[in-house]
Order: sequence, then C-alpha cells, then structure tokens
Amino acid sequence: QVQLVESGGGVVQPGRSLRLSCVASEFTFSSYGMHWVRQAPGKGLEWVAVIWYDETNKHYADSVKGRFTISRDDSKNTLYLQMDSLRAEDTAVYHCAREKLRGSSISCLYHWGQGTLVTVSS
Amino acid sequence: DIQMTQSPSTLSASVRDRVTITCRASQRISRWLAWYQQKPGKAPKVLIYDASSLESGVPSRFSGSGSETEFTLTINSLQPDDFATYYCQQYNSYPWTFGQGTKVETK
Repeated sequence: QVQLVESGGGVVQPGRSLRLSCVASEFTFSSYGMHWVRQAPGKGLEWVAVIWYDETNKHYADSVKGRFTISRDDSKNTLYLQMDSLRAEDTAVYHCAREKLRGSSISCLYHWGQGTLVTVSS
Repeated sequence: DIQMTQSPSTLSASVRDRVTITCRASQRISRWLAWYQQKPGKAPKVLIYDASSLESGVPSRFSGSGSETEFTLTINSLQPDDFATYYCQQYNSYPWTFGQGTKVETK
C-alpha cells in the first residue's frame, strides 16, 4: 500500500528557514511527479510546488516562488521542500502528494500524505 | 494563472438529496479537472479525474461532467458519509489551482 509520510514541521520565527521531508514507500518513487500542497488552518487547499519524475521541471505557486525549493532524492525515496524567508502566511499543514500516472502523463493527485504542520510565529 | 471558482461555498442538504456543485475556470482547461473530498483532519481523496472519470472504489452516486470552463460534481442520493468539503482542481497548466471549496453540511 502506497505510503507518504511527511516530517520536519514545527514552530519557526518569521524570516527563518525549515526543510520538510516526505518519505515514500510501496511504489517506484523515481517514476512519478511529486507535489507539495498546503492548507492554512480553517482554509482551503493551496498547491505549492511540483517536481517532475525526471527532475527536468520544477514549478511553484507565485506565493512561494523565490523562497521555496522543491527537490527529491530518488535513492532515498524522499521528497523535500526547503522553505526560506518564512512568513506568517506560510503557516499551514503541508501535504506531499503523488500524481496518479507515472512519467510525464497529465494526471491529478492520487496519493496524499497526512501532512506536517508548519507554524510561523514570533 | 487560472482561477477556479466553486459555487456554492456552503450547501445544506439532507440524506437522499441530489447535490450539485459547480466549478468555473477562468481559462479553457480541456478536461483536466479533478474533484476531491476532504473530511476534517484528513488528507483529500480524489473522486473524479479528467472531469468525468470515476476513481476506482468511489461510489457510483458520484459523477462529474463538463469541459473547458464549466464543470459539475453531482452526488445522487446523498449518504451520511458524504458530508464533507469538496474541491475542484485544474491540472491543465502550472501553477495548478484549487477552487475555494464547497462544504456540504446537514440541513
């Protein structure tokens, strides 16, 4: 059964950095595009970033562009999100998610992790 | 960026009601739209992908329709387990975007 387990969340001061991890299991990690999606407390879902299965493309939401960096280590079946210059409005539960189809096929998000909470506060 | 507008934001309904949620895209997105269900404290779950394809294991009372800019999620005969928040999401182009959500609550 596919599993995605996020970690690395916590309380951090504005302007500081944090790195989130997402460990994947029970599927060929290197074959799938991976995403981060966040949800502020009591709010809706916000797509954050994607990294293609072959790392040839990365894309970001305008709200995080230039501050967040998505990366992956296929040898460790792990997805990362480096978050710099954090702001109060980045406070949210961050989910990693796997695309439904492998490779470069257009597809929605199918498997989701339970998320890790990031709180940006002084 | 493509804006996704869902309506209504909240919907009050009873068991066995037929429920319809609408999602409008600010640009044409072909059929690259998914519907997700989310319950409090849980990760979203995909119900419909490619606008009208029912995800495996999802009850047949859920259906999706539409293309380009107008999409609909219909729940026929609402069941107690269906009270939740529903989101549409476009994956036609980056940045991917979600609708603001529709909460289906008990009337």
